[in-house]
Amino acid sequence: EPEVTQTPSHQVTQMGQEVILRCVPISNHLYFYWYRQILGQKVEFLVSFYNNEISEKSEIFDDQFSVERPDGSNFTLKIRSTKLEDSAMYFCASSDQGAGFTEAFFGQGTRLTVV
Amino acid sequence: DQQVKQNSPSLSVQEGRISILNCDYTNSMFDYFLWYKKYPAEGPTFLISISSIKDKNEDGRFTVFLNKSAKHLSLHIVPSQPGDSAVYFCAASAWGAQKLVFGQGTRLTINP
Repeated sequence: EPEVTQTPSHQVTQMGQEVILRCVPISNHLYFYWYRQILGQKVEFLVSFYNNEISEKSEIFDDQFSVERPDGSNFTLKIRSTKLEDSAMYFCASSDQGAGFTEAFFGQGTRLTVV
Repeated sequence: DQQVKQNSPSLSVQEGRISILNCDYTNSMFDYFLWYKKYPAEGPTFLISISSIKDKNEDGRFTVFLNKSAKHLSLHIVPSQPGDSAVYFCAASAWGAQKLVFGQGTRLTINP
């Protein structure tokens, strides 16, 4: 069964460092997303990406965040200068249609710990 | 911003009985609703969805009911099994929007 895969599963980084979280979405999907879940809180939307551009982003997704689809298979989330409050589980997701029409499939997540 | 609310943080049900998880929303623009199940250290797994043109959708042991006038949906699991023990998230999306808005989740525990 096709699945979304994320690497690494756990990343520890020092405050102020840049991190790149990687995702391989399901191959025939066209819509890509990043969500995050701070420990004990709800899953929050960060950004959606379609047709090689951001289609929607949340207030959380400020200038410190960027996304890229560098080739036909990978989808990355970069945090330029990490803060302690960026510590969370980051989930990549993909869907074959927009979020209002079909389910999104989530990866297993990357646990980011900023120290 | 509590557009999607799951007011019960936890629910305990005996194996074989019905589990009913509830979700309320405030945004009248939402027209597509989903339930996800999540185990620790894993990503959310899609369970079942419903669009606003329906009031019920069934898939095996899982049924989702939507009451648009009350802005309420519920997930019924019958019969409940030990493997159903997980956190269940309700999520919603508006037509044309490119994001899901999640509730806080309900931890379901199925007791043998």
